[in-house]
Amino acid sequence: QSDLTQVASVSGSPGQSITISCTGTSSDVGSYNLVSWYQQHPGKAPKVMIYEGSKRPSGVSNRFSGSKSGNTASLTISGLQAEDEADYYCCSYAGGSTFVFGTGTKVTVL
Amino acid sequence: EVQLLESGGGLVQPGGSLRLYCAASGFTFSSYVMNWVRQAPGKGLEWVSLISSSGDATYYADSVKGRFTISRDNSKNTLFLQMNSLRAEETAVYYCTRKYNYAFDYWGQGTLVTVSS
Repeated sequence: QSDLTQVASVSGSPGQSITISCTGTSSDVGSYNLVSWYQQHPGKAPKVMIYEGSKRPSGVSNRFSGSKSGNTASLTISGLQAEDEADYYCCSYAGGSTFVFGTGTKVTVL
Repeated sequence: EVQLLESGGGLVQPGGSLRLYCAASGFTFSSYVMNWVRQAPGKGLEWVSLISSSGDATYYADSVKGRFTISRDNSKNTLFLQMNSLRAEETAVYYCTRKYNYAFDYWGQGTLVTVSS
């Protein structure tokens, strides 16, 4: 149960697109298309933005999209807005009813 | 409206025990798998434990296996986490979360557990 690897920080200007990667192994990300992504603002509880790799919950902006290739999942935020500045975490199902989170990425809007 | 309200956090000495509670409302609690997720101060999220909707199956992260016990009372819409032999590095905010389609769709506001002498 090792953490999924995320780059520590990503930044972009308003209107730009950014992509956050999440690298796991063949035992988690690579075996299941069951990666979810969470947005967390300071002092707040996380909020699910993407589930099952690429599905958006009701109410989440279509500026957020998810994908996967091999052992790496990605979250893309298009049309970056000031309110997108937050920490983002990926999470993968790891089999046997267990889950593993990523190390987290801080997104800064310049 | 779905609500998850954690309680039971506080200061405990290393090696001590604590029981966390999560009161659920706004949905049919007995139909959902529930989890605990924790976050150390300034650190990332860590999945801790999962319990089936009926309570007859439980799963744990390796880091807490044998020391933590998750349980639920569907008649009282309440989730529990019994934590024994606590370690300083387990100081964290503990979140109660609802599982939906292999994701955690609702989170409580969290309860802070501080393990310190």
